[in-house]
Amino acid sequence: DIQMTQSPSTLSASVGDRVTITCRASQSISSWLAWYQQKPGKAPKLLIYKASSLESGVPSRFSGSGSGTEFTLTISSLQPDDFATYYCQQYNSYTLTFGGGTKVEIK
Amino acid sequence: QLQLQESGPGLVKPSETLSLTCTVSGGSISSSSYYWGWIRQPPGKGLEWIGSIYYSGSTYYNPSLKSRVTISVDTSKNQFSLKLSSVTAADTAVYYCARLGVQWLVRPWGQGTLVTVSS
Repeated sequence: DIQMTQSPSTLSASVGDRVTITCRASQSISSWLAWYQQKPGKAPKLLIYKASSLESGVPSRFSGSGSGTEFTLTISSLQPDDFATYYCQQYNSYTLTFGGGTKVEIK
Repeated sequence: QLQLQESGPGLVKPSETLSLTCTVSGGSISSSSYYWGWIRQPPGKGLEWIGSIYYSGSTYYNPSLKSRVTISVDTSKNQFSLKLSSVTAADTAVYYCARLGVQWLVRPWGQGTLVTVSS
């Protein structure tokens, strides 16, 4: 099974900061990686798919990059609405795996 | 706009079977383009995929839960269901149903339902 490891698990940042979250796969997943944002009490929301494609309606300050086993989610200028938990997700051979999550907190 | 809604008991006793149903509205569960899935999240923890089903009935399960999970589909009711047997406190979680698109992108999600395992 493919394991997904996110880092850091918690990140403290201020409004306006550039924020980067990393996700590593235990084996190559090409570009089949997605990123989700989850706020307390809500279902996750898709932000990025195929490693770097922005979901419709998602602000352009969100971007994704990477391929193979290492991926990043970047928020270019953190906004108050962005304080949330972020998860990466891979799909391979009819299985889904999520990373452990990164909580972005107010510094 | 496609919507999914989970329903079922919010409290299940240890060793019993957890049963949930997801009702799909605003679209057909029989679409050939999508799978349908269950994902759970224990309180304060991360997301765990439970399993997925195609409208034809083909299923795929998380190996760690496979021995206890059954997912089924009822196309006449536009619903799919989850059964998880022999539950323990570790199965306490918010359970989400969702549509899985190309490369199993998860969108949209249901609102989620909290199931507590307790006597």
